[in-house]
Amino acid sequence: KNEVEQSPQNLTAQEGEFITINCSYSVGISALHWLQQHPGGGIVSLFMLSSGKKKHGRLIATINIQEKHSSLHITASHPRDSAVYICAVYNTDKLIFGTGTRLQVFP
Amino acid sequence: GAGVSQSPRYKVAKRGQDVALRCDPISGHVSLFWYQQALGQGPEFLTYFQNEAQLDKSGLPSDRFFAERPEGSVSTLKIQRTQQEDSAVYLCASSLHQGLNGFGYTFGSGTRLTVV
Repeated sequence: KNEVEQSPQNLTAQEGEFITINCSYSVGISALHWLQQHPGGGIVSLFMLSSGKKKHGRLIATINIQEKHSSLHITASHPRDSAVYICAVYNTDKLIFGTGTRLQVFP
Repeated sequence: GAGVSQSPRYKVAKRGQDVALRCDPISGHVSLFWYQQALGQGPEFLTYFQNEAQLDKSGLPSDRFFAERPEGSVSTLKIQRTQQEDSAVYLCASSLHQGLNGFGYTFGSGTRLTVV
């Protein structure tokens, strides 16, 4: 079993829809990251969380430490949001990455 | 440039060939990291430099993999006698901060290595 699990693996949405991507982890962590990876491109850091909730533009990230779960929400989704979204947790000495959620937003 | 630059973007190697992948971090970034990302998977840690010192190489999969950062800036990941299972995207990241917690990481666009 992977230490970091994301769901869904693939997600298709119509422009304007509200998107939720989930991340569950099985190890103790001190920080969790949400990252965005475009095809052929590098990885961009969206959020680093250790508790609560953060918001940046149309993106909202929440974390529940007790339940070992985090969610990334995208409001009013747009085709340019199409990318792979990766959850990564910092566990004592290294980052452990999930396998990513591939999001496609159609006009 | 303003970001982390990796070269080449794409590399096709014949099995058994040696390859060298380059990473130019953001100027002044102390920490540099290499990750391997197989198709459909998340990145996996290979190695970490703080300036020129290689502090952690626990993720290097075999002794065919070697990384260096001799002057504390540019880093090279070398893979000797490439095998098909080495096919992956190799990502480099740098950070102003020390440590492996992901804080302040800037990633490059990666080098896609295909071993045929």
